[in-house]
Amino acid sequence: AQSVTQLDSHVSVSEGTPVLLRCNYSSSYSPSLFWYVQHPNKGLQLLLKYTSAATLVKGINGFEAEFKKSETSFHLTKPSAHMSDAAEYFCVVSPTNESGGYQKVTFGTGTKLQVIP
Amino acid sequence: AAGVIQSPRHLIKEKRETATLKCYPIPRHDTVYWYQQGPGQDPQFLISFYEKMQSDKGSIPDRFSAQQFSDYHSELNMSSLELGDSALYFCASSEGHPKKQYFGPGTRLTVT
Repeated sequence: AQSVTQLDSHVSVSEGTPVLLRCNYSSSYSPSLFWYVQHPNKGLQLLLKYTSAATLVKGINGFEAEFKKSETSFHLTKPSAHMSDAAEYFCVVSPTNESGGYQKVTFGTGTKLQVIP
Repeated sequence: AAGVIQSPRHLIKEKRETATLKCYPIPRHDTVYWYQQGPGQDPQFLISFYEKMQSDKGSIPDRFSAQQFSDYHSELNMSSLELGDSALYFCASSEGHPKKQYFGPGTRLTVT
């Protein structure tokens, strides 16, 4: 069984300040973890993914996330928010399998990031 | 809380066969979105429905069709299946459009 919890449905930050979007997971398997971003009226875009390599994962647009097994967390951070970061962010968990495909994928409920000028 | 339900969870078909995927949105949600995610790829938006009418169209092949029924569930019909159709198909639902989407667990389609 697996689940993912995004602790905040809304996060509001000022432009130029740090971003923290929280994600906790549970999984019976060795998990792969992902963060996706969805801008208004746009599709889902992969920001970054963790697949049992380095625990600190760097993604696109200056985002990074750290896999902490002891805390079952995979929080998304960015040192300085930009107006273009305003979007919905989804944390996703799936078991890691040999083929690299996804056997079962669980999406979090999303966190809406608002960036204030 | 009730979530988005997709059926079947796994489906194996042969080339040139047809497949039907079903999506049951969260109660009171009137909008359904379909996505296709190939191995190692980002989910690609296929099509969406709001109040039983097509609201947006993405990269859905002509061999695919979809509809939303009076109970707001949606079905994705796929004909003349090709090997490249093997993917994870996600459904999401929202209350209103465009609004926050809630994703289902996906249907894994394998075409052999």
